[in-house]
Amino acid sequence: AQSVAQPEDQVNVAEGNPLTVKCTYSVSGNPYLFWYVQYPNRGLQFLLKYITGDNLVKGSYGFEAEFNKSQTSFHLKKPSALVSDSALYFCAVRDPNTNAGKSTFGDGTTLTVKP
Amino acid sequence: DAGVTQSPTHLIKTRGQHVTLRCSPISGHKSVSWYQQVLGQGPQFIFQYYEKEERGRGNFPDRFSARQFPNYSSELNVNALLLGDSALYLCASSLSGVSTYEQYFGPGTRLTVT
Repeated sequence: AQSVAQPEDQVNVAEGNPLTVKCTYSVSGNPYLFWYVQYPNRGLQFLLKYITGDNLVKGSYGFEAEFNKSQTSFHLKKPSALVSDSALYFCAVRDPNTNAGKSTFGDGTTLTVKP
Repeated sequence: DAGVTQSPTHLIKTRGQHVTLRCSPISGHKSVSWYQQVLGQGPQFIFQYYEKEERGRGNFPDRFSARQFPNYSSELNVNALLLGDSALYLCASSLSGVSTYEQYFGPGTRLTVT
């Protein structure tokens, strides 16, 4: 069975500082990993994904994530946080060997960026 | 282009009733998935449909059913509603059923069961 853990319910950073939102996963084969962001009263919005290749993937709005197979992690990062980055962030995993449409999500991390 | 649309936005039902939620995918997208998001948790997978066929089902009771139409829109049906069915129901579309494709989510339908 596939699973995702987001160990921090909340992350607080000051505007202009770097941010990291952590994610670890468990899957039987090589994982497909995704980050989504959710703003209040909105659906989830795709940020970036790792399928294969370079361990550092870049996505929307200056976000990037680093895939680490040995640590089974896929942490989301941004060099300089903006107040507008404040939102709920979800990490998701898919096992390509099982149900193609099933994404398993973590419980989310609330990011608050203070001016 | 329009994104994924869902209707209705909000819905209040009584225990034991039936509900139908609707989703229109992004134009050209042939795969639709349904998720249930309870407050404070991540979305939980309910169903995936691709080319009008069910491709996957999550750990939900048989009270939950869905279908996809020839135009790739989809309906989620829930019978015999329970208080615990109160949640945000999200529809997501993707280009195909292949798992490398990211999903695009609609704004959701907020279902309240009283």
